[in-house]
Amino acid sequence: GEDVEQSLFLSVREGDSSVINCTYTDSSSTYLYWYKQEPGAGLQLLTYIFSNMDMKQDQRLTVLLNKKDKHLSLRIADTQTGDSAIYFCAESIDHFNKFYFGSGTKLNVKP
Amino acid sequence: DGGITQSPKYLFRKEGQNVTLSCEQNLNHDAMYWYRQDPGQGLRLIYYSQIVNDFQKGDIAEGYSVSREKKESFPLTVTSAQKNPTAFYLCASFSTGGLGNQPQHFGDGTRLSIL
Repeated sequence: GEDVEQSLFLSVREGDSSVINCTYTDSSSTYLYWYKQEPGAGLQLLTYIFSNMDMKQDQRLTVLLNKKDKHLSLRIADTQTGDSAIYFCAESIDHFNKFYFGSGTKLNVKP
Repeated sequence: DGGITQSPKYLFRKEGQNVTLSCEQNLNHDAMYWYRQDPGQGLRLIYYSQIVNDFQKGDIAEGYSVSREKKESFPLTVTSAQKNPTAFYLCASFSTGGLGNQPQHFGDGTRLSIL
């Protein structure tokens, strides 16, 4: 299957910005997603981006896509303790078919 | 409210037993999916179904079986052939109709453990 790579941990202070990075290998990916998972819960979709876009902003979230380098990032502005969770990057050729997930980045927000 | 319901939240299996995990959705979604999540790993696709009475194997289907007799329901059976069943299982669904579709919508998961 396709490889999606993420760093395992990130620790930031409350109020700082968090940047979670992801790399993928499948050049035919059409959609790239960010999901959030809180302890013991399912995955919550945060945002997604088409592969022909460079950037997407949604309130405190900014997604940047470098298609040439196959690099995706999620920036969370003014990070809050409630943002502490595991963040998964995923890619797919469309919403309907297989999603390929990274291993998740555990974000720890210190007060 | 519309959503996906997985039950039970916690499930225990004895050696040699089959167990069935329930996934029900009232979102009128056509497609449903089962994923397995292991600690420190991403989700891996077990089976998926894009329409009633049809389903396809995902990347790790061995030791699992599914059925899709109704649009709302996609139960997953973990058979005794699955040698390492302890994991967190997530069900998801997706609607194929209309514009501006949202990607896969997930349930809250079932944690399966071996006694």
